[in-house]
Amino acid sequence: KAGVTQTPRYLIKTRGQQVTLSCSPISGHRSVSWYQQTPGQGLQFLFEYFSETQRNKGNFPGRFSGRQFSNSRSEMNVSTLELGDSALYLCASSVGRWEETQYFGPGTRLLVL
Amino acid sequence: QKEVEQDPGPLSVPEGAIVSLNCTYSNSAFQYFMWYRQYSRKGPELLMYTYSSGNKEDGRFTAQVDKSSKYISLFIRDSQPSDSATYLCAMRGNSNYQLIWGAGTKLIIKP
Repeated sequence: KAGVTQTPRYLIKTRGQQVTLSCSPISGHRSVSWYQQTPGQGLQFLFEYFSETQRNKGNFPGRFSGRQFSNSRSEMNVSTLELGDSALYLCASSVGRWEETQYFGPGTRLLVL
Repeated sequence: QKEVEQDPGPLSVPEGAIVSLNCTYSNSAFQYFMWYRQYSRKGPELLMYTYSSGNKEDGRFTAQVDKSSKYISLFIRDSQPSDSATYLCAMRGNSNYQLIWGAGTKLIIKP
């Protein structure tokens, strides 16, 4: 069974631009969560989607948004990029919302110049 | 103060040593405790999962939870160079699906 895939793997943007990241969960998984990982802060929860609905949201500004499609694939968007948005963005999927095992993708490394 | 504290390391030990990795937390509502391993340029993968207090063993890995001290540990016996990675603790309560993460400890096993 294929794992969680994320595209693109690497991205360089400039301040003020916007970016869209994509996540394809493991087949049959309906829950997708997004995280931001930085050396100083560790993993910070962005949001969680289940059955195309955002179920939970972390403490991030409104510039960060996401959505989930009927096939469980998910996208996250960051508008008006800031230097501090440079990070590894990780997507994780699980069968249901309360599963203890989340499977992570390799992440998208975003550099904002 | 962060809800979950974890020493970022790096922690460098010789091959074959017993490794002890730890996290402390402040929220007494946490009931589910996990340890993830993250290799360079990869996403985290679940190593151990424990509910409430006690010990859990899986091969060379042992997870311990001490809820009275709000302290969790991961022990690695007979450490191998392939164990070199960043180890992250994560935890949550009964009513909130959201995991709270430690910053991760970078572990280096020297051959």
